[in-house]
Amino acid sequence: SQQGEEDPQALSIQEGENATMNCSYKTSINNLQWYRQNSGRGLVHLILIRSNEREKHSGRLRVTLDTSKKSSSLLITASRAADTASYFCATHGTASKLTFGTGTRLQVTL
Amino acid sequence: DAMVIQNPRYQVTQFGKPVTLSCSQTLNHNVMYWYQQKSSQAPKLLFHYYDKDFNNEADTPDNFQSRRPNTSFCFLDIRSPGLGDAAMYLCATSVTGDWTEAFFGQGTRLTVV
Repeated sequence: SQQGEEDPQALSIQEGENATMNCSYKTSINNLQWYRQNSGRGLVHLILIRSNEREKHSGRLRVTLDTSKKSSSLLITASRAADTASYFCATHGTASKLTFGTGTRLQVTL
Repeated sequence: DAMVIQNPRYQVTQFGKPVTLSCSQTLNHNVMYWYQQKSSQAPKLLFHYYDKDFNNEADTPDNFQSRRPNTSFCFLDIRSPGLGDAAMYLCATSVTGDWTEAFFGQGTRLTVV
């Protein structure tokens, strides 16, 4: 079963704009991770935020975590056409269980 | 160098004929996962091993079994594949702890004919 819901399900923006994706989850977590998947390919890890952290940055990525609301957001700044992909949040919980959210399909146009 | 290797990349099997997908890792990670991903959907966790402990998801069909003979290898057995089992199957590994990500293989795309 899916742990998290993501919104929007699909997002279309122009190159240079920022993209924000949101993730909500249901149970307590050790950390929350974001992954990227190009069509038909495997998943690539982007960034991890621990349950005691509130914000984290990596290059053009910014992740926030609000454990009281059981929600996280991923911001991609200055998007590029190459950022076109599906993005998934994943929650890491008891016994290292890793469960994915429903995903956001991002389309970045020139 | 690939660290999580899934074989084969593409597998075609007949309806009802048992099939085994394999995953190996060079990372010496103690946790291994199997996911099923259907087109345009999120990866769905089937089961995972935490060391030797097997953790089956409640909604994983009995048709799906797994074996982990040692740290490096993990197998997904589908006893009687149905048309609805056609999907991408993803293997991943990680280590225990709240600071580590999972490493994914490239997946095996299963077609049932």
